Amino acid sequence: KAGVTQTPRYLIKTRGQQVTLSCSPISGHRSVSWYQQTPGQGLQFLFEYFSETQRNKGNFPGRFSGRQFSNSRSEMNVSTLELGDSALYLCASSAAGGADTQYFGPGTRLTVL
Amino acid sequence: AQSVTQLGSHVSVSEGALVLLRCNYSSSVPPYLFWYVQYPNQGLQLLLKYTSAATLVKGINGFEAEFKKSETSFHLTKPSAHMSDAAEYFCAVIPSGGGSNYKLTFGKGTLLTVNP
Repeated sequence: KAGVTQTPRYLIKTRGQQVTLSCSPISGHRSVSWYQQTPGQGLQFLFEYFSETQRNKGNFPGRFSGRQFSNSRSEMNVSTLELGDSALYLCASSAAGGADTQYFGPGTRLTVL
Repeated sequence: AQSVTQLGSHVSVSEGALVLLRCNYSSSVPPYLFWYVQYPNQGLQLLLKYTSAATLVKGINGFEAEFKKSETSFHLTKPSAHMSDAAEYFCAVIPSGGGSNYKLTFGKGTLLTVNP
């Protein structure tokens, strides 16, 4: 079974721009979660989607948003980029969310200049 | 809120030596506990998961972890370190109560260095 895939793997943007990251979960998985990883703050939960609905949300500003499609693929969007948004963004999928094991993709490395 | 503390941001061992990475959680009710490993420029890979079925959990690559409720700990061990074990290790929890709290909370991570 193919793992979680994320595109693109690397992105360079400038302040004020917006960016969209994509995540394709493991086939059959309906829950997709997003995390931000930075050297200073570590791994932080952004949000979780299940059956096209946001079910859980972390403590991030409204510039961070996401959505999930009927095929369970998910996108996250960051608007008005700031330097502090530079991070590795990780997507994880699980069968039904909850306490199910989450399987992570390789991440998208976003650099904001 | 749930929190996870990993003691030691950096652990260095010799090849063949015991690996011990420490993790403590804060919860009156035992949560679900996970250990993940991250190699450079990669995502996180699950090593093992505790779900209350057994206190000693065996994972991949020879790792295991023991859940100790009295110590609120879930330390990761491996009897003999290999050079390929060099990576960053993360302990994570999901509260067993569920509801809107079904999200992974991670520790700060422990970087494991293995010396030849």
